[in-house]
Amino acid sequence: AQTVTQSQPEMSVQEAETVTLSCTYDTSESDYYLFWYKQPPSRQMILVIRQEAYKQQNATENRFSVNFQKAAKSFSLKISDSQLGDAAMYFCAYRSVDQGAQKLVFGQGTRLTINP
Amino acid sequence: DAGVIQSPRHEVTEMGQEVTLRCKPISGHNSLFWYRQTMMRGLELLIYFNNNVPIDDSGMPEDRFSAKMPNASFSTLKIQPSEPRDSAVYFCASSQVWGAFGNTIYFGEGSWLTVV
Repeated sequence: AQTVTQSQPEMSVQEAETVTLSCTYDTSESDYYLFWYKQPPSRQMILVIRQEAYKQQNATENRFSVNFQKAAKSFSLKISDSQLGDAAMYFCAYRSVDQGAQKLVFGQGTRLTINP
Repeated sequence: DAGVIQSPRHEVTEMGQEVTLRCKPISGHNSLFWYRQTMMRGLELLIYFNNNVPIDDSGMPEDRFSAKMPNASFSTLKIQPSEPRDSAVYFCASSQVWGAFGNTIYFGEGSWLTVV
């Protein structure tokens, strides 16, 4: 079974600075999807960014980018120019391409605080 | 397009009562997921459906929990009888089984359940 590990329960960063959240995963599959979701205090799960494992290019969405290291099974999220609205729990998640095992497997989450 | 719609958003009920949570997935999506989030256990998958058929219900805690998907646009999660330990946020989520965006699971805003 796949597992996802986020080793940083909490992180903080000054507004306008850059922060990187870590995520590692374990799988025997060669093709899969990886995601970062943001959960603000409202508790809604918001998709931040996604990465297909077969793509070598790292995904980027505006201020958010990932560093995907397939061999190391690492998938970190970089937030540039941090804003107060970025404060939230961030979850890393894995999804198999196997249509019989499509559930998202989540990490434990990292709580990000933005200091003004 | 409307997102995943869940109801009720908040429910407080007494132990022993029946609770029914409802979900309308995104139109055109044919995979539906029920997740539960607690402080102790994080995000855990309860059950998911493909084309209205339950695929994996191994996360359903016990016989008190049941889920149905009578058609492509509606699902229910029922707890009978409810217990205080069922207090949690319950998320419904949906995705396409396959296709260009079939890898992404979109979440509803969650149903906050408190059992007293």
